[in-house]
Amino acid sequence: GAVVSQHPSWVICKSGTSVKIECRSLDFQATTMFWYRQFPKQSLMLMATSNEGSKATYEQGVEKDKFLINHASLTLSTLTVTSAHPEDSSFYICSAAGTESNYGYTFGSGTRLTVV
Amino acid sequence: TQLLEQSPQFLSIQEGENLTVYCNSSSVFSSLQWYRQEPGEGPVLLVTVVTGGEVKKLKRLTFQFGDARKDSSLHITAAQPGDTGLYLCAGAPVYSGYALNFGKGTSLLVTP
Repeated sequence: GAVVSQHPSWVICKSGTSVKIECRSLDFQATTMFWYRQFPKQSLMLMATSNEGSKATYEQGVEKDKFLINHASLTLSTLTVTSAHPEDSSFYICSAAGTESNYGYTFGSGTRLTVV
Repeated sequence: TQLLEQSPQFLSIQEGENLTVYCNSSSVFSSLQWYRQEPGEGPVLLVTVVTGGEVKKLKRLTFQFGDARKDSSLHITAAQPGDTGLYLCAGAPVYSGYALNFGKGTSLLVTP
């Protein structure tokens, strides 16, 4: 089945530094990838939709200059949290949709970001 | 604005009991999906319902899609401790392309 690999699984960084999270579709081409954020005991909140070769579409309230998304190929999307602050600490999850159908989105295993 | 209202948010039951989780919206969805998520992991797809009125069964789990494609339910029969987890409904409204919106989730705890 479709597999999405997300890396790293967890990261601790200092305030003011930037962190890059990678999301790779391993056995299919992902024309669209989605980035979500999840706080403890809460649901997933869509941050942005990323289409290969074009600019990401951000949800209302999500700072595009802070959360930089790059989708340079059909198998890789990256999310960079710039100038991270403690309030950016969260669980970030990507998902990918293949070229054939909008059903059956595949999710990465998530990245736990802790900013100290 | 929460497109999908999921209830209950928390549920604690004993092994062997039955339960139902509801997912409601005022929007029409081309499909609705149910996921289960363990702590520290990404959601895992359980089922996708596409047709209004559709019923799908996955062992002790029964999923139903409303006739108007605005709501769905998940029923678990004879719950087991292994069913413990966060259950999420998600869907892409017909007007918004196919970015998934998630309900708030139902945190289920099944005790022996």
